[in-house]
Amino acid sequence: NAGVTQTPKFQVLKTGQSMTLQCAQDMNHEYMSWYRQDPGMGLRLIHYSVGAGITDQGEVPNGYNVSRSTTEDFPLRLLSAAPSQTSVYFCASSYSGQSSTDTQYFGPGTRLTVL
Amino acid sequence: AQSVSQHNHHVILSEAASLELGCNYSYGGTVNLFWYVQYPGQHLQLLLKYFSGDPLVKGIKGFEAEFIKSKFSFNLRKPSVQWSDTAEYFCAVNEVNTGFQKLVFGTGTRLLVSP
Repeated sequence: NAGVTQTPKFQVLKTGQSMTLQCAQDMNHEYMSWYRQDPGMGLRLIHYSVGAGITDQGEVPNGYNVSRSTTEDFPLRLLSAAPSQTSVYFCASSYSGQSSTDTQYFGPGTRLTVL
Repeated sequence: AQSVSQHNHHVILSEAASLELGCNYSYGGTVNLFWYVQYPGQHLQLLLKYFSGDPLVKGIKGFEAEFIKSKFSFNLRKPSVQWSDTAEYFCAVNEVNTGFQKLVFGTGTRLLVSP
């Protein structure tokens, strides 16, 4: 199993540009989520999904859109990038998400810089 | 809103020294507790987790953590650190009754172990 994969690893955008961060998992996990990691702030939940067709907002959803058309993929879209979105983005997945005991598996991250 | 505090932002130790990293959370209900580690250039990996039962939890690589409910704490310990333990450590908490898993992370502690 490849686990959780993310592309790209690095990205530089100009303010106002749009892009999609890709996340895929091959573990047949129902639950997937996106976090951003900022210095001194730890990881903060952006959006999450408990299954195909079901998504919900996390702690910091503004400026980001998600969709979940398949179990495997959970892309994160930035419609109009802002410098405040400069961060490292991690995708994670777990078996169901309905159990608070499930372990979340993290991807390698995407380092995004918005100029 | 629930919060997680890691008071030690940077810790520097020599090899063979003992380690204790503090983690306190604010939620008064039932919680599940996790410690994740992020080695330089790598993604987050689960060190250990606590759900119920024995409050002393043993994880990988010789780490352990003790849940003290009365102190709302889940401190991470290792009797003798190695250079390879240099990493950033994150405490995370999940409220059991929130329906779906929504991890709240602390701000992280950077550990540097000098040889």
